[in-house]
Amino acid sequence: DAKTTQPNSMESNEEEPVHLPCNHSTISGTDYIHWYRQLPSQGPEYVIHGLTSNVNNRMASLAIAEDRKSSTLILHRATLRDAAVYYCILRGLGGAQKLVFGQGTRLTINP
Amino acid sequence: SAVISQKPSRDICQRGTSLTIQCQVDSQVTMMFWYRQQPGQSLTLIATANQGSEATYESGFVIDKFPISRPNLTFSTLTVSNMSPEDSSIYLCSVEQGDSGNTIYFGEGSWLTVV
Repeated sequence: DAKTTQPNSMESNEEEPVHLPCNHSTISGTDYIHWYRQLPSQGPEYVIHGLTSNVNNRMASLAIAEDRKSSTLILHRATLRDAAVYYCILRGLGGAQKLVFGQGTRLTINP
Repeated sequence: SAVISQKPSRDICQRGTSLTIQCQVDSQVTMMFWYRQQPGQSLTLIATANQGSEATYESGFVIDKFPISRPNLTFSTLTVSNMSPEDSSIYLCSVEQGDSGNTIYFGEGSWLTVV
């Protein structure tokens, strides 16, 4: 499984944008970039995923580098509820493609 | 999105006993996955369960310790056998929905403490 590298922790202030980086230099051409987050005492929650183009949804935006070796999850206006561990995961398409979790980034939001 | 219910949500278990965790999904799904999350750690995949076939276990996990059933497309069980304190973890069921492409959904987890 191709690996991802994320900072262990980040801190931001409420109502400010947050940029969570992820490096995946060994990504293959068919690997999708997935982001999940885990709020305290809950199971992981899907955030967003993409292949090559930048993606937006109601939760976040995903900016993917042109060479696909890195990506950034963008929370446009952080709230206290966004405090969680964010996981950047590579996953192939088709078959029993499992999600392999790294250690993720623990995001703290200051009021 | 799939809604996943796990039972029990929490339990305290005696050393040497076994506990079966149930996972119910509100729609038919092909792929189901069982994860373990030890205290303060990330998630580790235990096995992948397809309906009608044997579960596929990851390295470090064996069927005798973590037997899995998958009787139909909406239900699965994971048994943690002969428990020891090292088995104290959150056990999470997850599913992939065919019409959601690559998205995987997780249950809230079953928090087991072995004493």
